[in-house]
Amino acid sequence: EAQVTQNPRYLITVTGKKLTVTCSQNMNHEYMSWYRQDPGLGLRQIYYSMNVEVTDKGDVPEGYKVSRKEKRNFPLILESPSPNQTSLYFCASSSLPPGGHTLHFGNGTRLTVT
Amino acid sequence: GENVEQHPSTLSVQEGDSAVIKCTYSDSASNYFPWYKQELGKRPQLIIDIRSNVGEKKDQRIAVTLNKTAKHFSLHITETQPEDSAVYFCFGGSQGNLIFGKGTKLSVKP
Repeated sequence: EAQVTQNPRYLITVTGKKLTVTCSQNMNHEYMSWYRQDPGLGLRQIYYSMNVEVTDKGDVPEGYKVSRKEKRNFPLILESPSPNQTSLYFCASSSLPPGGHTLHFGNGTRLTVT
Repeated sequence: GENVEQHPSTLSVQEGDSAVIKCTYSDSASNYFPWYKQELGKRPQLIIDIRSNVGEKKDQRIAVTLNKTAKHFSLHITETQPEDSAVYFCFGGSQGNLIFGKGTKLSVKP
């Protein structure tokens, strides 16, 4: 089954404790991206990747890191989480160009930073 | 960069009525116009999309219309049903930096 898999689904952590949210897709998509979703603000792009070893900042990259060492994986790293990063996070992938093909979303990761 | 505005932010209709949601974009080079639906607690999923060489596209009760001159496209849902209750998003951006509208929460009252 074609899918985007995010883990974990729920995560509660404390300020400053490094964490990684994993994202994996099995559709051989070139494009992968991360979003955070907050009430009243919609989906905002954090980082995106057009292919292996190619990553770029989205609209809200501060406090986040990503890597794209393999085509199927695109982890999101929070090196020193803060409470303002409490949010619902989605990973998505598509064929290129992303503004021309269906974005396939993962099931989301609800992160709480205390 | 691309700027995307979506209206209204909330929309309440009676079952059986029609609903229209509008998305305005700024980038004249945009050539792809999708609508996503997000049910409560679930991930966004594509429901319909249109490309710039087409003015309208229909799929059963939903349709999307495009006005390239005015730089806006709209989602039309006819004969609304309670299961249409969800948040609907558009997005713009032809390259990797995708800009989503803030979403429209549609409530369909039985």
